[in-house]
Amino acid sequence: GAVVSQHPSWVICKSGTSVKIECRSLDFQATTMFWYRQFPKQSLMLMATSNEGSKATYEQGVEKDKFLINHASLTLSTLTVTSAHPEDSSFYICSARGGKNNEQFFGPGTRLTVL
Amino acid sequence: KQEVTQIPAALSVPEGENLVLNCSFTDSAIYNLQWFRQDPGKGLTSLLLIQSSQREQTSGRLNASLDKSSGRSTLYIAASQPGDSATYLCAPLRTGGFKTIFGAGTRLFVKA
Repeated sequence: GAVVSQHPSWVICKSGTSVKIECRSLDFQATTMFWYRQFPKQSLMLMATSNEGSKATYEQGVEKDKFLINHASLTLSTLTVTSAHPEDSSFYICSARGGKNNEQFFGPGTRLTVL
Repeated sequence: KQEVTQIPAALSVPEGENLVLNCSFTDSAIYNLQWFRQDPGKGLTSLLLIQSSQREQTSGRLNASLDKSSGRSTLYIAASQPGDSATYLCAPLRTGGFKTIFGAGTRLFVKA
């Protein structure tokens, strides 16, 4: 299957700092990219959907000023957690959809810990 | 609004058993449906994709069926192995939609 990469795979930061997570579709052009977060033993929660060159669509309850999403190209999307706090600690997973079957592929996730 | 239900929520079986995981969805106007597995602390791996015009897809020991009119999909796992232990998620994509809606998943544990 297609490959979606995420970087970094884990990050530890101090409260108040900003963290950027990159998501790349390596071998296909993604028409749509998604960002999810997941707390331990819970389901994936969709945060936002983005199409290349346009603003992201955020799910209800997700602060767009806190979770900045940039979808610069058909293969790259970034999520920036601004002024991170301990409650932002979570597992963040990106996903990309594209190809002839409109299949969705997921990155390996980024574990964010805010101290 | 699409709602996805997966049954059972959890399953523990001895190695070698054939398994059936069920997924039901409320909006039958779907474009495709994917089955994923998620290992603890990892991202999701796509297992099978069924287009709305198809009734089943097979990959190795996995077979997924789709009955769009009744809003159901089933994942069959033959001769289960300990390495199959993971959470399995089904995700229908609505026709004309962007977002994939996930069920809560079935947590599978296969005992050696």
